[in-house]
This record gives sequence, structure tokens and C-alpha cells, in this order.
Amino acid sequence: GDSVTQMEGPVTLSEEAFLTINCTYTATGYPSLFWYVQYPGEGLQLLLKATKADDKGSNKGFEATYRKETTSFHLEKGSVQVSDSAVYFCALNTGNQFYFGTGTSLTVIP
Amino acid sequence: DADVTQTPRNRITKTGKRIMLECSQTKGHDRMYWYRQDPGLGLRLIYYSFDVKDINKGEISDGYSVSRQAQAKFSLSLESAIPNQTALYFCATSDGSGGRISGANVLTFGAGSRLTVL
Repeated sequence: GDSVTQMEGPVTLSEEAFLTINCTYTATGYPSLFWYVQYPGEGLQLLLKATKADDKGSNKGFEATYRKETTSFHLEKGSVQVSDSAVYFCALNTGNQFYFGTGTSLTVIP
Repeated sequence: DADVTQTPRNRITKTGKRIMLECSQTKGHDRMYWYRQDPGLGLRLIYYSFDVKDINKGEISDGYSVSRQAQAKFSLSLESAIPNQTALYFCATSDGSGGRISGANVLTFGAGSRLTVL
């Protein structure tokens, strides 16, 4: 069945460090891919998305490219800030349902 | 006001009690979902509804029931709460068209309802 596997955390980085959170997926058909972010005490909110192969989603300095050949959608940011501390979820949608990864907790220290 | 509102935000209850979590949305979306979040397990789908007359079980529906009272309202009930239902519950809506048509749907989440069953 459809599923998402993402890098386990927690991840701790210093401010201005480079961030990569790995995400791979298994899906039939042609899924849309998403990264959601959950700040402490809040619900999830969409960070970025890509709807077809080779699309790049970007927002707030974060980027992820839909790689069909490697079934991946890795999240990257060149220089993280303390305010990026949150839990990040990779997700896919094939039409009816969404499938989420287990989440990766990121802490950025000054 | 928030696009997706959940009430209550926090609830502590005892084993065997009936609990209802309510969700209302102002997005005008047809699709609504209830998820459960547990540490290390991510989000798991409990129930979803694509319109007022459509209710579908998700991955972990046992012990839960739902009611879609209107396009904007989708409530989750625990008929007889048990401690392993202690979790953070999220309601979400999506902008997919009615029915089961594939598309780049985006989920909009409520702020969550934290339920503790003693």
C-alpha cells in the first residue's frame, strides 16, 4: 500500500547550519507530495508541495524536489534559524487519502 | 477566527465515559478528516467524509464513531473511552472536489484536541 518513510529524529542543529530531512515514498499512480510543519502547541500547516515529477516546492527558504526515479522528496534549507524549531511531516496524497510519515523533530540552537 | 475550529482543546476524562470532540470549518470544503497523533507514530486516520452523506473508516476506526451534521461540522465520538485513546486529535479539511477525484488536495488542520483518559 501507499506509505511514507522519513528520517527519524530528533535533529539538533546550530543556527545557520544546513538542513536535510530525508523522505521516501511508496505509491501507486502519481501522488502529490507535501511537507507539513507543526510548531509547538499548534496544528500542522502546509510548508510546501509538489504535484508532479521534477517539480520543486519552496517556501520560507525550504525546498524539496519531487524525484520519481528515487521516489524521494527530501526537505532542505540552506541556513536554519531558531524559529524553524518544529516537527516536520512528509506526506503524500493519491486522491482519496493522505499518508503521513512519523515526523522529524528539529531543534535549532543559537 | 480560525478556518478549522476544534472544541474542546483539552479534556481529561475517566475510563468508560463518552466523549465528543467537535470540529467546524469556514473553508467551504467538502472533505473532512479526523486524525490521531501519537509520539513516534505520526498521524493516523480515524475517519473521513467527502460530503454530508459520505462516511468512511480510516486506518484506526475501532472504538470511534463520527457524525457529519452539516458540510461545516464533523464530530468524533468515543463511546466508552479507554486509556490507550489518550492522544492528540486533529480535524482537517481539504479542497478536493466532491467525490473521489484525484488532485493536489491540501489539508487545513485545526489546532488539535488533547484528550487524556484516566
